[in-house]
Amino acid sequence: DVKVTQSSRYLVKRTGEKVFLECVQDMDHENMFWYRQDPGLGLRLIYFSYDVKMKEKGDIPEGYSVSREKKERFSLILESASTNQTSMYLCASRTYAGSSYNEQFFGPGTRLTVL
Amino acid sequence: GQQVMQIPQYQHVQEGEDFTTYCNSSTTLSNIQWYKQRPGGHPVFLIQLVKSGEVKKQKRLTFQFGEAKKNSSLHITATQTTDVGTYFCSMGNYQLIWGAGTKLIIKP
Repeated sequence: DVKVTQSSRYLVKRTGEKVFLECVQDMDHENMFWYRQDPGLGLRLIYFSYDVKMKEKGDIPEGYSVSREKKERFSLILESASTNQTSMYLCASRTYAGSSYNEQFFGPGTRLTVL
Repeated sequence: GQQVMQIPQYQHVQEGEDFTTYCNSSTTLSNIQWYKQRPGGHPVFLIQLVKSGEVKKQKRLTFQFGEAKKNSSLHITATQTTDVGTYFCSMGNYQLIWGAGTKLIIKP
């Protein structure tokens, strides 16, 4: 059974702290994604990685950075957490099959609260 | 840039009534994917549409891709409590763009 895991389901941090969110997939997928989800706004792409050590900015990269040193692991870093980064963070992965991309598989999400 | 509008934001139905959500794009799409997110859960892939005018069915769910490949719909016949959740469309190949979702609520 395919699996995407995230390091925490719930996280509470203080303003200014450095926050690490980890995502691991066991499907040998090339692409990995970080989204944030807020009510009424759907899923907004923060960063994605199409392969190891590769990354591209999504729609809302400000205040975030990412790291992908190994194929199975994609980390999201909040350099200095702020209250407007309180949100649900979702990690996803997918593979490329010939001429098209397959569906995304999501982790359970991390609900981050910044006080 | 490419945008997708998904409507309605919410739909309240009695159990047994039908439900429909629509996605409209400002540009021609190469494909569209549909996902379902149960309350407290994460999005789960339902289907991908690729061809102009394509219609696919999964039991009570019918998915359509417009002839011009600029719009798509998901229709659920005779809703059940297990259908409750938020339905998202997602488009694109390299980078995906997501609709805001339609929340299906069943009236008590």
